[in-house]
Amino acid sequence: GQQVMQIPQYQHVQEGEDFTTYCNSSTTLSNIQWYKQRPGGHPVFLIQLVKSGEVKKQKRLTFQFGEAKKNSSLHITATQTTDVGTYFCAGNSGGSNYKLTFGKGTLLTVNP
Amino acid sequence: GAVVSQHPSWVICKSGTSVKIECRSLDFQATTMFWYRQFPKQSLMLMATSNEGSKATYEQGVEKDKFLINHASLTLSTLTVTSAHPEDSSFYICSATNLGTDTQYFGPGTRLTVL
Repeated sequence: GQQVMQIPQYQHVQEGEDFTTYCNSSTTLSNIQWYKQRPGGHPVFLIQLVKSGEVKKQKRLTFQFGEAKKNSSLHITATQTTDVGTYFCAGNSGGSNYKLTFGKGTLLTVNP
Repeated sequence: GAVVSQHPSWVICKSGTSVKIECRSLDFQATTMFWYRQFPKQSLMLMATSNEGSKATYEQGVEKDKFLINHASLTLSTLTVTSAHPEDSSFYICSATNLGTDTQYFGPGTRLTVL
């Protein structure tokens, strides 16, 4: 079945440093979605990427979808303590059931 | 918009009892709801996909007789953990998709502890 690999598993940075997490799917995706889960919380939808090579920005967050629609990345510029949490990518391979396959997530911690 | 609620937020039960968890979409109609399980520091594992008015589709390795799912209306799905055992202790999260879209909106989760 479809697999979504995500690295790194953990990332600890000093406040102000940049952060990037990467996702790679074993199959071509219809779209990829990114979620953030704060410690003790539930996943919160951040963004969806649909088009090949698409780049979207949300303030300090930049999301990219690869040309082959099999990989994606999330980059945070100048991290802040509020960025702490686990970032998950989730791939949608298409079809009518809208099923998502989640990566294992990257836990980001930020030292103030 | 797109708010999903879950009840209860946490539950502690004795081994052998059954526990029902409710998932509601508050401001939209959810034709499809998903049930996930998340163990500490791990990713979300999809248990089943639930479509309103039809039987749930379970992922491989998930026992349908143990995890009963009912999706009787466009705003409510329930997950019943039958004869719960300590190894069923986990964080159960539901999500719902709005009609015609595939963005999943997650409920706040239910933390189940089986003694």
